[in-house]
Amino acid sequence: DAGVTQSPTHLIKTRGQQVTLRCSPISGHKSVSWYQQVLGQGPQFIFQYYEKEERGRGNFPDRFSARQFPNYSSELNVNALLLGDSALYLCASSSESSYNSPLHFGNGTRLTVT
Amino acid sequence: QKEVEQNSGPLSVPEGAIASLNCTYSDRGSQSFFWYRQYSGKSPELIMSIYSNGDKEDGRFTAQLNKASQYVSLLIRDSQPSDSATYLCAVDTGFQKLVFGTGTRLLVSP
Repeated sequence: DAGVTQSPTHLIKTRGQQVTLRCSPISGHKSVSWYQQVLGQGPQFIFQYYEKEERGRGNFPDRFSARQFPNYSSELNVNALLLGDSALYLCASSSESSYNSPLHFGNGTRLTVT
Repeated sequence: QKEVEQNSGPLSVPEGAIASLNCTYSDRGSQSFFWYRQYSGKSPELIMSIYSNGDKEDGRFTAQLNKASQYVSLLIRDSQPSDSATYLCAVDTGFQKLVFGTGTRLLVSP
């Protein structure tokens, strides 16, 4: 079975630009979460979506937005990019939105902002 | 601020030894606890989940949870060089919002 797939794998953008990252969950998984991981730190929660509804939002500015589609895939959008947005962006999926449904991460999108 | 604390390491152990990784957390209401392994340049890989007090074993891995002490640990028996990685402790603070520690780097020498 295919795991969580993310695209693109790498991306280089300039300050002020906008970026869209894409994620396809494991087949049958309805919950998708997004995390940001900067070098040397653990991943930090950005969003969680379940059944196309936003269930949680982390401490990120409004420049970050996301959505989930009827097929449960998801997009993360970041506007007005800053140098500090350079990070590994991770998408994770789980079968349910419950405490005992572990998250499985994709390979991530490495974003570099110059 | 809900926090998860880990010793950044590196924790160095010889091949075949037991590696012990520790984690403390601040949110007493947390119900779910996870250990992820992350190789350099790769994404986190789930290796253990634990939801109730006590021990949970899976192959060479044992997770231990003590909610009263707000403490989670991971034991790796018969450590192999391929276990060398960063181990991330994660705590679910509600609605699958995981709070991660900064990770402990484990080095297993042949």
